[in-house]
Amino acid sequence: ETGVTQSPTHLIKTRGQQVTLRCSSQSGHNTVSWYQQALGQGPQFIFQYYREEENGRGNFPPRFSGLQFPNYSSELNVNALELDDSALYLCASSLGGLAGGTDTQYFGPGTRLTVL
Amino acid sequence: DAKTTQPPSMDCAEGRAANLPCNHSTISGNEYVYWYRQIHSQGPQYIIHGLKNNETNEMASLIITEDRKSSTLILPHATLRDTAVYYCIVRPYNQAGTALIFGKGTTLSVSS
Repeated sequence: ETGVTQSPTHLIKTRGQQVTLRCSSQSGHNTVSWYQQALGQGPQFIFQYYREEENGRGNFPPRFSGLQFPNYSSELNVNALELDDSALYLCASSLGGLAGGTDTQYFGPGTRLTVL
Repeated sequence: DAKTTQPPSMDCAEGRAANLPCNHSTISGNEYVYWYRQIHSQGPQYIIHGLKNNETNEMASLIITEDRKSSTLILPHATLRDTAVYYCIVRPYNQAGTALIFGKGTTLSVSS
């Protein structure tokens, strides 16, 4: 069974650029959640996708957007990068479902984004 | 905001049990207690979760008080590899788009 994978591992961008981060969910999981973790802080929820539809969103501006594909992999896109977007971006997959349930989220290793 | 309170740091000697407390005095009847840990710069690792009964798996034990207002994560024989930030999270079930809301967690340092 393959766990959650993310690419790239590290990324350096400049202010104003756009970035796309990728996540492959664990085998059998249909729900992907994205989190942002600034240095020294706990992860903060960005949004969740269930079967290609956004299924919940945290307090992040619209320049943070996402996609989920039929194979349940996902992308996080961030436009007009700001210095404060520098963080570890985490993807978590779960069995999910609109009912929420007690499905456990399993995290990938993260993508470290640095904005200069 | 996180609905849990944890001590910022704890120390434990290698081979001894590590008991990590968590206060969740405002927990609702439909909320589970989850524990994750994060080793430096890695993704959080799921440890265990429970509703009201004590739970045990190959990693740890979770003890939840009868009134469910607090819990303790027990690592029975801590090793140096258990040094990490431990997060206690309460999470409702049967709610669409349910996110994990992380607080600052407890930094556990295991020393030899």
